[in-house]
Amino acid sequence: GQSLEQPSEVTAVEGAIVQINCTYQTSGFYGLSWYQQHDGGAPTFLSYNGLDGLEETGRFSSFLSRSDSYGYLLLQELQMKDSASYFCAVPDSWGKLQFGAGTQVVVTP
Amino acid sequence: EPEVTQTPSHQVTQMGQEVILRCVPISNHLYFYWYRQILGQKVEFLVSFYNNEISEKSEIFDDQFSVERPDGSNFTLKIRSTKLEDSAMYFCATDDGAQYFGPGTRLLVL
Repeated sequence: GQSLEQPSEVTAVEGAIVQINCTYQTSGFYGLSWYQQHDGGAPTFLSYNGLDGLEETGRFSSFLSRSDSYGYLLLQELQMKDSASYFCAVPDSWGKLQFGAGTQVVVTP
Repeated sequence: EPEVTQTPSHQVTQMGQEVILRCVPISNHLYFYWYRQILGQKVEFLVSFYNNEISEKSEIFDDQFSVERPDGSNFTLKIRSTKLEDSAMYFCATDDGAQYFGPGTRLLVL
């Protein structure tokens, strides 16, 4: 089976940096994705790591270490609008996504 | 920018009634998915659809559920006889290497 572990909540102030870790156990590995979800909204694709290393997209970066079955999402220069839930997810060979339980990021002034 | 759309945005129904949730995928995407999210929980996979066939389904996707692509554009999820525990957000998603989710249908079964 597959399982993903991520912290349930992180609180930080505006302008700070937050790192959300995700460890996974999968029977086959096809990459690690990150999604953002605001309350009542749809998951929004943020990033995908298929290979080891860092992927940067603006203020958000994602990292993967396949040997450690570990990845993280880094949120820099936090803004109030970044308050949301962040999910790591792994696809299977058909693309079906298995999501982690999500990390609630609370940004305070 | 192309996006996935879903209708209705909200649906309230009585237990035992049938509901049909509709999705218009991004036009050149070939893989379609339905997920659901019970309030306060994580997103759960229901079913994937490729080449007009179900390619994979979860144990949640039992005989009361069905999917169709009736006219080559719309992609529907039918729940034949709704139960209270079917109350959730239902998301359609399409894939071109990354999955893009529609805005969801909030289903409430009374």
